[in-house]
Order: sequence, then structure tokens, then C-alpha cells
Amino acid sequence: EAQVTQNPRYLITVTGKKLTVTCSQNMNHEYMSWYRQDPGLGLRQIYYSMNVEVTDKGDVPEGYKVSRKEKRNFPLILESPSPNQTSLYFCASSLFGGYGYTFGSGTRLTVV
Amino acid sequence: SQQGEEDPQALSIQEGENATMNCSYKTSINNLQWYRQNSGRGLVHLILIRSNEREKHSGRLRVTLDTSKKSSSLLITASRAADTASYFCATDDGGGFKTIFGAGTRLFVKA
Repeated sequence: EAQVTQNPRYLITVTGKKLTVTCSQNMNHEYMSWYRQDPGLGLRQIYYSMNVEVTDKGDVPEGYKVSRKEKRNFPLILESPSPNQTSLYFCASSLFGGYGYTFGSGTRLTVV
Repeated sequence: SQQGEEDPQALSIQEGENATMNCSYKTSINNLQWYRQNSGRGLVHLILIRSNEREKHSGRLRVTLDTSKKSSSLLITASRAADTASYFCATDDGGGFKTIFGAGTRLFVKA
């Protein structure tokens, strides 16, 4: 089944403890992206990647890192999480560009 | 930056009625997309309309695009309770690599 898999689905962590949210797609898509969703703000793009080793900042990249060493994986790293990073995070992929995304199921992160 | 803004924020209708949602954006675009999200789950792509298209249909969905007014509308005909969800428009930033989502319209269809 064609899908984007994110892990974990839920995560509660403490301020400053580094964490990684994994994202993997099995559709051979070139483009991958991370979004955060907050009430009233819709989805805001954190980072995107147009292909292996090619990444760029979205609208809200502060406090996040990404890497794209393989085509299928696009992990999101929070080096020192803070409470304002409490949010619902989505990974998405598309064949090219940002058109016709397939979204993962989301990761609900709480930073206390 | 928020490119697309949906209107209304929330909409409640009876089953069988049509639902219309609008999206306005600020800068030139190459395409506009509509997505659906069921209560906190991942978004599902519904339809894409290119900047040189004015109208597009997919099943019970009809999307229009007016680039002169920088606006789009999504019409869902003969709505069903299963259409209850949030609907988002998304645009590129003109360059094509960023995708910017609006805050969404919450649609509630009463059975």
C-alpha cells in the first residue's frame, strides 16, 4: 500500500531533550515536507526537500533540523525542544514539487 | 506567511444541500489545491487546478479559480454526513517549491 509512515504517533517529552520524528514513504517520491498544525493557524511548512541531499526552509524552520540522506526517509529533529513546539506534526510527500501530497497520519508532540 | 485564507471558518448544513467554501490568496500562483482532513488525521488531496484553468470537476466536487480576483471556490454538491471534515486550500508561492495552506473551513453536515 502506498503510504507515508510517521513515528511515533504520540510523544510527550521534556524541554531540552533531543528527539527525532521519523518519516518514510514507499512511493519513490522526490519531494517531502514537514508541516506543523496549530489551532487557528492551519498548516505551516517547516522544511521541505526536493530530492536527496537537497533541503530548504519553509515558513517556520526555527528550532528544527532535517536531513535527506535517502529518498524514502525524511526525519525531523528537534535538538532542544521547547513548549512552543507542542503541536501536531505532519510529514507529506509528492512525486515532484508540492502537488498532490500524500500525508502521514501525524505525530502529536507535547513538550512540558 | 499565510497565502490562502478560507471563508467561512465554519459551515453547518443539512445532508443533501450544497456546500461552498472560498479561498483567497495574495500572490501569483502556478496551481491551487484543495485537501480534506477528518478530525486531526492526515490531509487527503481532493483536487488540483492550474492557474490557466477556470473550472474543474471531480465527482461531487467543483472547483473554480479566478486569478484576477486571486480566489477559488470549492463546491460540494448533494453533501453527505461523511463529508463532515475540515477543508483546506493550498497554493504554491509562485516559485513552485513551497506549498502554503490556509487555516481551513470546518464543514459539518447534519444527517
